[in-house]
Amino acid sequence: EVQLVESGGGLIQPGGSLRLSCAASGYTFSDFGMSWVRQTPGKGLEWISYISLNSDVIYYADSAKGRFTISRDNARNSLYLQMNSLRDDDTGLYYCARDYSTSAPFDFWGQGTLVTVSS
Amino acid sequence: DIQMTQSPSSLSASIGDRVTITCRASQDIGRFLSWYRQKPGKAPELLIYAISRLQIGVPSRFSGGGSGTDFTLTISSLQPEDFATYYCLKSYSPPRTFGQGTKVEVK
Repeated sequence: EVQLVESGGGLIQPGGSLRLSCAASGYTFSDFGMSWVRQTPGKGLEWISYISLNSDVIYYADSAKGRFTISRDNARNSLYLQMNSLRDDDTGLYYCARDYSTSAPFDFWGQGTLVTVSS
Repeated sequence: DIQMTQSPSSLSASIGDRVTITCRASQDIGRFLSWYRQKPGKAPELLIYAISRLQIGVPSRFSGGGSGTDFTLTISSLQPEDFATYYCLKSYSPPRTFGQGTKVEVK
């Protein structure tokens, strides 16, 4: 059974940093790309970043460029999102999702980790 | 960037009703359109990909159609677990963009 478990969320002040993690199990992690998707009250579901199976292709949404860094460790079956210079509008529930293909993205999702940016 | 516009933003329906949700892209996105259902308090789940292909395990009451810029999700006979929010997604080149969602509520 495919499982994705996010962690690392919490309450952080504006300008601060957080590192989110996603632990994958139940499939061969290194065979699939991965994405981070967030859900915020203001913008609904928003794709944040994608990383290919061997990390050679990385994409970011404009809202994440220059502030967030996606990475993965295939030996540890783990995906990461380093978030710097956090703003109030980064508040939301952050999901990792298996990115099966361009035609069938996000075929499995974790349950999300909550990030709250507030002073 | 390509924008995705869903309609309606919400609708009220009863068990057994046929429900159709529409998603319009601001440019041709080929077959790179998928649909997700999000039950309250849960993560989204993939229902349909490549416009009309049913994800494994998804009931056959769900179907997708359309082409180019206009797409539909149809639920042929609404079931209790279908009262949820539905999102379309375009995956043709980054950024991947979701529609704003359609909430299906009990009439």
